[in-house]
Amino acid sequence: KAGVTQTPRYLIKTRGQQVTLSCSPISGHRSVSWYQQTPGQGLQFLFEYFSETQRNKGNFPGRFSGRQFSNSRSEMNVSTLELGDSALYLCASSLDGEAYEQYFGPGTRLTVT
Amino acid sequence: AQRVTQPEKLLSVFKGAPVELKCNYSYSGSPELFWYVQYSRQRLQLLLRHISRESIKGFTADLNKGETSFHLKKPFAQEEDSAMYYCALSGSSGYSTLTFGKGTMLLVSP
Repeated sequence: KAGVTQTPRYLIKTRGQQVTLSCSPISGHRSVSWYQQTPGQGLQFLFEYFSETQRNKGNFPGRFSGRQFSNSRSEMNVSTLELGDSALYLCASSLDGEAYEQYFGPGTRLTVT
Repeated sequence: AQRVTQPEKLLSVFKGAPVELKCNYSYSGSPELFWYVQYSRQRLQLLLRHISRESIKGFTADLNKGETSFHLKKPFAQEEDSAMYYCALSGSSGYSTLTFGKGTMLLVSP
């Protein structure tokens, strides 16, 4: 079966702009989680969506938001971009949200200038 | 608060040498521990979880609750083991809120 896909793969934005990233989970998976990966902080959990509802949230400012659609596809949005938002954003999908079942996407590399 | 610490950023060994990647955690309840691996230009993938007690690609990891550790071991390293390794923790709910360590790059030289 097809893996988790993320679009776009690379993105360059300017400080103050906003950005939307997309994640298509494996068919049949209802849970989508988002992570931010940076050299300094490593992998940090952003939020998890299950059946269109945010079920868990990490410790990120309100500028980071997300949503999930009825087909389980998910988007995350970052408003008022800061230089420190430059990172690889990973999404992972699983059937019901069990951590060990997560399959990761290739990530979207966001660069903020 | 839950935390995962991987004290080594880089571990360099020769082929055939034993490998131990260290992981310590902090969690007040009963966590589930995992090791994830990311090979060059590949996606992050699950290597093993403590509950399954399996050996995957020759790697094993034992959860030591007394020392709050979950070190990853392999008796004889292979060049294809070179990768980034992340230790991760999930709370007792089991939901997808993984807390990752900062990772250890393992380089296996011929």
